[in-house]
Amino acid sequence: EIVMTQSPATLSVSPGERATLSCTASQSVSSNLAWYQQKPGQAPRLLIYGASTRATGIPARFSCSGSGTEFTLTISSLQSEDFAVYYCQQYSAWPRTFGQGTKVEIK
Amino acid sequence: QEQLVESGGNVVQPGRSLRLSCAASGFKFGNYGMHWVRQAPGQGLEWAAVIWYDGSNAYYGDSVKGRFTISRDNSKSLLYLEMNTLRVEDSAVYYCTREHYGRMDVWGQGTTVTVSS
Repeated sequence: EIVMTQSPATLSVSPGERATLSCTASQSVSSNLAWYQQKPGQAPRLLIYGASTRATGIPARFSCSGSGTEFTLTISSLQSEDFAVYYCQQYSAWPRTFGQGTKVEIK
Repeated sequence: QEQLVESGGNVVQPGRSLRLSCAASGFKFGNYGMHWVRQAPGQGLEWAAVIWYDGSNAYYGDSVKGRFTISRDNSKSLLYLEMNTLRVEDSAVYYCTREHYGRMDVWGQGTTVTVSS
């Protein structure tokens, strides 16, 4: 199984600042990586797929880079609605696996 | 709009069975693979099972393999998860999700399963 490791577990950021989240795969997943955002009491929402393509309706302040085993999600200027938990997920192999999540909280 | 609505969650005793359903609308259900993903209280997301668009194949996560069965009825746009021999550690919110070229692009609101004596 491909293990996805996210860091940090919690990121404290002030509104308007940049947030950088990392996701590392235990083996190459090529560009078969997605990012999801989850707010309390809500279902996850697809943010990014193909390692760098924003899903429909996702603002341009969300960007992602990387391929293979190292990926980074950047939120360029945090808005109040961006404080949430973010998960990466690989869809290169079975079983599908998620990272443990990074909580982005207000500093 | 594209929508998934789960149902069937309940409080059950360990060792019992439960069937979850997921009703799809707003898209051609039979064109998409479908997943169940679960989330234990205060924990992260765990992939549980997938079924091919036509029901011809299915995969399961190790924690549910042999106890859970995923199935679908494309004529009714319904996805199911039959859960047997339930354990306390199966307690979670269960989400159904649509797969589109690997990514899970549509999610339901979830249904809660609590396994407790």
